[in-house]
Amino acid sequence: DTAVSQTPKYLVTQMGNDKSIKCEQNLGHDTMYWYKQDSKKFLKIMFSYNNKELIINETVPNRFSPKSPDKAHLNLHINSLELGDSAVYFCASSQILAGTETEQFFGPGTRLTVL
Amino acid sequence: AQTVTQSQPEMSVQEAETVTLSCTYDTSESDYYLFWYKQPPSRQMILVIRQEAYKQQNATENRFSVNFQKAAKSFSLKISDSQLGDAAMYFCAYGYGGATNKLIFGTGTLLAVQP
Repeated sequence: DTAVSQTPKYLVTQMGNDKSIKCEQNLGHDTMYWYKQDSKKFLKIMFSYNNKELIINETVPNRFSPKSPDKAHLNLHINSLELGDSAVYFCASSQILAGTETEQFFGPGTRLTVL
Repeated sequence: AQTVTQSQPEMSVQEAETVTLSCTYDTSESDYYLFWYKQPPSRQMILVIRQEAYKQQNATENRFSVNFQKAAKSFSLKISDSQLGDAAMYFCAYGYGGATNKLIFGTGTLLAVQP
């Protein structure tokens, strides 16, 4: 059973297109995240949602719009794709417990290539 | 702002030998958490080990152990009896939990294991 799944795993598209990446977790966690890993392998938080509410939005262009229909799903929609959006996008989830930092479980990543 | 620094972009170790990966971080918080994640060529992010800052005892997980020096803000990972399957990118990460839970990653160390 996959704990955190993402679809698609690979996405190749033209500049200017709109695309979505879906993420689902079956761990019963209340918090989900999107991270971006660039070509130099640097990982950076983009968004986090806790119980469907946006908690973190780390200076991400508003072409990126996350949506959480329920606490098991966090999708990422990207409008007007640019060459610089090419990266691997990771979804992750964790259970927030007061006063502690629990492990974040990562999905397999989606490699987005913008041509 | 919190930062995480990994000064070794690449490391190499002989099979069955021991290797230490370095990580330093900067924070003004007193309660936080530190992690080492492994990313093999499959790109899956796998938690290797975690350390709570309030614990003085260094964490260990089988062949993996850390040397946590809170005053020096240092968090190194030691891999004993290195195996070919240990070859991967290793990321040090900092988290401080709570509602704004997020991980701040270092730039990674690429570990090669020589047979």
